[in-house]
Parts: sequence; structure tokens; C-alpha cells
Amino acid sequence: QKEVEQNSGPLSVPEGAIASLNCTYSDRGSQSFFWYRQYSGKSPELIMSIYSNGDKEDGRFTAQLNKASQYVSLLIRDSQPSDSATYLCAVNEYGNKLVFGAGTILRVKS
Amino acid sequence: EAQVTQNPRYLITVTGKKLTVTCSQNMNHEYMSWYRQDPGLGLRQIYYSMNVEVTDKGDVPEGYKVSRKEKRNFPLILESPSPNQTSLYFCASSNPGSAQYFGPGTRLTVL
Repeated sequence: QKEVEQNSGPLSVPEGAIASLNCTYSDRGSQSFFWYRQYSGKSPELIMSIYSNGDKEDGRFTAQLNKASQYVSLLIRDSQPSDSATYLCAVNEYGNKLVFGAGTILRVKS
Repeated sequence: EAQVTQNPRYLITVTGKKLTVTCSQNMNHEYMSWYRQDPGLGLRQIYYSMNVEVTDKGDVPEGYKVSRKEKRNFPLILESPSPNQTSLYFCASSNPGSAQYFGPGTRLTVL
């Protein structure tokens, strides 16, 4: 069973700080990586996709991928209380199957 | 608006009473999938479909059935629901290799 590991948290950061969320995966053949945000009782919402090594920036969000280390991260700059949610890392295992991590709870304190 | 829809959003039923949760997408996606989400267990895939008439089991298929007769629809069927199927269910769709887009969820309670 391929695995995606995340620290469950909660990760607490003050408003305006950088939140750093990390994820490791076991399948070296994985090609696609995604970060989803999920508010309690709501559906996961895609916030970032990354397919190649390096950084990808979108507004306050930066995804970082290191395939050699099997590591993907999400940085949230200028964290806001509205960023408080569970962040799910997902890795494309084969075909279109996504394997999800259990999620990291982020709390941004004002 | 591009979206995945699910119905019903909330359902309370009793053990053994057959039910169907519908899922529809308007993005012409080939791939559709059903997940359940339980506290502490994360998202677990129930069934998925790579295309019309092509379905396969995910990680937790017991007690569930699916069909894919049309590209846009992927209903989840519980022939004889049991209390351990009480959960939050999500349908998702995507094109190959791309991110999956999720429906709003169906909260099911089986008494």
C-alpha cells in the first residue's frame, strides 16, 4: 500500500506568519502532487498542483517538490485566520488514483 | 459553472433500507470516484471509474455498488446499509493525471 504521510498537527501560527506544511510519499513513480484545503464538514478544495521539481507560487501559496527526497511542502505566507483548516496532501499513485495523507490541521491565531 | 453535484446532501435512514446517492459532473471528465471520510481515518476511496462502463474497487468497497452508464453520472448504491456506513461521502471527478474536483458531500446516518 503506497503511503502519504503528514504530521497531523495542529500547527499553530500567529497571523501574518509563514505556515509550513510538509508531506512525504512512498511511491517513487508518482508524477502529480496536490494540496487541498478542507474546512470542517466541507469538501476538499484544490489550492495547488505541482508536477516537477522546484517551487510553484500562486499568490500567498508556494508548493515545493523534491522527488529525490520524496517530499512535497506547502508554504502559506502572511497567514490569515481564514487559512485555518485541514490541509490534505495528495499524490497520484498510478493512472488517476490519488492517495491522500490524513491531513494537517492549521490554526492561525489573530 | 463547472461543478460536481451530489444528492442528497443529508440523509438519515435505517439499517437495511436500500439507498442511492447520486453524483453528476458537467466537466466531461473521464475519471470519477467515491470516497468516504471518517474522523481520524482521512479520505478512503470506495470505488472509481476510468470511463463509461469501467469501474473498479478502491480501498473500502465492501457494502457498496456503483455504475457508470453515462459519462457524467456515477451513483453510489448501498443495497443494505449498516450503521458502520454512517459517514461523510464525497464524489470527485477529473481528467487523467489532473487534480480531482470534489462534490459538496453527503452526510449519511444509518440508524
